Amino acid sequence: QEHLVQSGAEVKKPGSSVKVSCKASGGTFSNYAITWVRQAPGQGLEWMGGIIPIFGTANYAQKFQGRVTITADKSTSTAYMELSSLGSEDTAVYYCAREYYFGSGTYYFDYWGQGTLVTVSS
Amino acid sequence: DIQMTQSPSSLSASVGDRVTITCRASQNINSYLNWYQQKPGKAPKVLIYAASTLRSDVPSRFSGSGSGTDFTLTISSLQPEDFATYYCQQSYRTPRTFGQGTKVEIK
Repeated sequence: QEHLVQSGAEVKKPGSSVKVSCKASGGTFSNYAITWVRQAPGQGLEWMGGIIPIFGTANYAQKFQGRVTITADKSTSTAYMELSSLGSEDTAVYYCAREYYFGSGTYYFDYWGQGTLVTVSS
Repeated sequence: DIQMTQSPSSLSASVGDRVTITCRASQNINSYLNWYQQKPGKAPKVLIYAASTLRSDVPSRFSGSGSGTDFTLTISSLQPEDFATYYCQQSYRTPRTFGQGTKVEIK
């Protein structure tokens, strides 16, 4: 059973960057995609991008292209999401989630981190 | 991007009620549709994947149906622990996209 533990809450200034970590344990980290989903206060879920650690190549939502970098360290079973040029609109809870491949083209997010609140404020 | 539209955005219901939430995709996504439940301050939890397959740890009062562009989540008899927000999500292609959510509140 996979367990994802994220780094703690962050307060950042506008224009700065934040890097959130997601450490996996109990499963096969490298074989599944780790994705990042954010949720602004009182809002819905927004997929930012993901990475399959065994391949190392990330893909990103167009909205965040050029501003987000997702990486993975297989040696420590840890994924990272770095978001730059922060604005107040980036204040949100950021979740990592494992995207499980069930088969026959079916994918779903089966394990989630506890979430990391990032507050952008001057 | 594939747009996912849920309705209603919120509903009020009583314990024991039958509740139905719909989700429409902007294009054909076959059966690559998942449903999640989220409670305040918690991460989402998957209930149903591939439109109609119930996760093993999810009560049988939850069911899903649909294919193509139109999907439904049904709770046959609402329980107190079911008051939450529900999201649909397509896994047909990236970017993965979610519906805007349906908040189920106590009447």
